Amino acid sequence: NAGVTQTPKFRVLKTGQSMTLLCAQDMNHEYMYWYRQDPGMGLRLIHYSVGEGTTAKGEVPDGYNVSRLKKQNFLLGLESAAPSQTSVYFCASRRQGFGSGSDEQYFGPGTRLTVT
Amino acid sequence: SQQGEEDPQALSIQEGENATMNCSYKTSINNLQWYRQNSGRGLVHLILIRSNEREKHSGRLRVTLDTSKKSSSLLITASRAADTASYFCATDRVGYSTLTFGKGTMLLVSP
Repeated sequence: NAGVTQTPKFRVLKTGQSMTLLCAQDMNHEYMYWYRQDPGMGLRLIHYSVGEGTTAKGEVPDGYNVSRLKKQNFLLGLESAAPSQTSVYFCASRRQGFGSGSDEQYFGPGTRLTVT
Repeated sequence: SQQGEEDPQALSIQEGENATMNCSYKTSINNLQWYRQNSGRGLVHLILIRSNEREKHSGRLRVTLDTSKKSSSLLITASRAADTASYFCATDRVGYSTLTFGKGTMLLVSP
């Protein structure tokens, strides 16, 4: 099992450009998440999905869109990149909803994005 | 707003010493989890403690939970240089379907 993979690992964008980050998991997990991590801010949830075809907003959704067309993939899009979106982006997945179980989250290796 | 807040923000110890990190949170939880992040890598799950548990062990890790004080502590015994990393607590809040992470404690273990 590859676990959670993210593509690309690094990217430099100019302000106003668009891009899509791909997250893939091979564990048949229902839930998937996109976080951003900035120095001193910890992890902040951008968007998440509780199953194929569903998406929901997290703590900092503005400027991002997501899609979950296939259960194993969760895409994060930046339509018009801004310098404030310079960050490290992490994808995560887990088997079932919290509250009814005790499943841990599995994280990808991250994508380092710089917007100039 | 951050649900979990770790303390201290940074901790520097010698190999062989114990390291203690604390986490405070604000609302009722189903469980609390601790994760480790090595520099430049994704987070890795370490241990989970449920709201009806008070203490849990896993190898050199010991986690306690005090729901009356809304706090948890992570103890790493006999630290090694390889334990150098950032440690995050994450809370599974009642009524929510997402984890909320704190800002982390950066642990440096010197040989």
